[in-house]
Amino acid sequence: SQQGEEDPQALSIQEGENATMNCSYKTSINNLQWYRQNSGRGLVHLILIRSNEREKHSGRLRVTLDTSKKSSSLLITASRAADTASYFCATDGGSQGNLIFGKGTKLSVKP
Amino acid sequence: ETGVTQTPRHLVMGMTNKKSLKCEQHLGHNAMYWYKQSAKKPLELMFVYNFKEQTENNSVPSRFSPECPNSSHLFLHLHTLQPEDSALYLCASSQVQGGQPQHFGDGTRLSIL
Repeated sequence: SQQGEEDPQALSIQEGENATMNCSYKTSINNLQWYRQNSGRGLVHLILIRSNEREKHSGRLRVTLDTSKKSSSLLITASRAADTASYFCATDGGSQGNLIFGKGTKLSVKP
Repeated sequence: ETGVTQTPRHLVMGMTNKKSLKCEQHLGHNAMYWYKQSAKKPLELMFVYNFKEQTENNSVPSRFSPECPNSSHLFLHLHTLQPEDSALYLCASSQVQGGQPQHFGDGTRLSIL
């Protein structure tokens, strides 16, 4: 399987805490992306990190990429109840650069 | 508002019915995608259209038939579906095919009786 795997499958934290989610993948990539999905909604693109980048920031999001280990992490700092959602990583390792998604991490942030 | 609109949002149909899902994007993108999302499974890519040409059919059963009349519209025609086809069907678009960020609609929740 070429699919990525997120870890943990579920994460429950208090508001204000940091949340870290990890992603491992199997193929060579040009980029890796993170998406968020709120319940009953579509996926929303959060951030893209290229294979020659090691770290990227966007607001309260910090993404790292280690291509030697084929892994990435997403850190959400100072979490809010509104961050409650499922988070997916996706790599462009599919045929013709199609995205391959993992099963996701379900994050619950309690007020 | 993501710029990608899917209709209907919910659909219940019998196994012998024929129905169609519709997707429309207002982003000027040239690639459009159909995905199937089932509980506890990764998102499954079904079909890809790039500049109106189908470039991917991910071994999808023939009871699912895509149509892309122009770069802004994508349809998924359904007939003689099975109970295991019950899922959330998501449409997405990107500037072109190939590793670009994708914009998703909110999906059609399909239930097969």
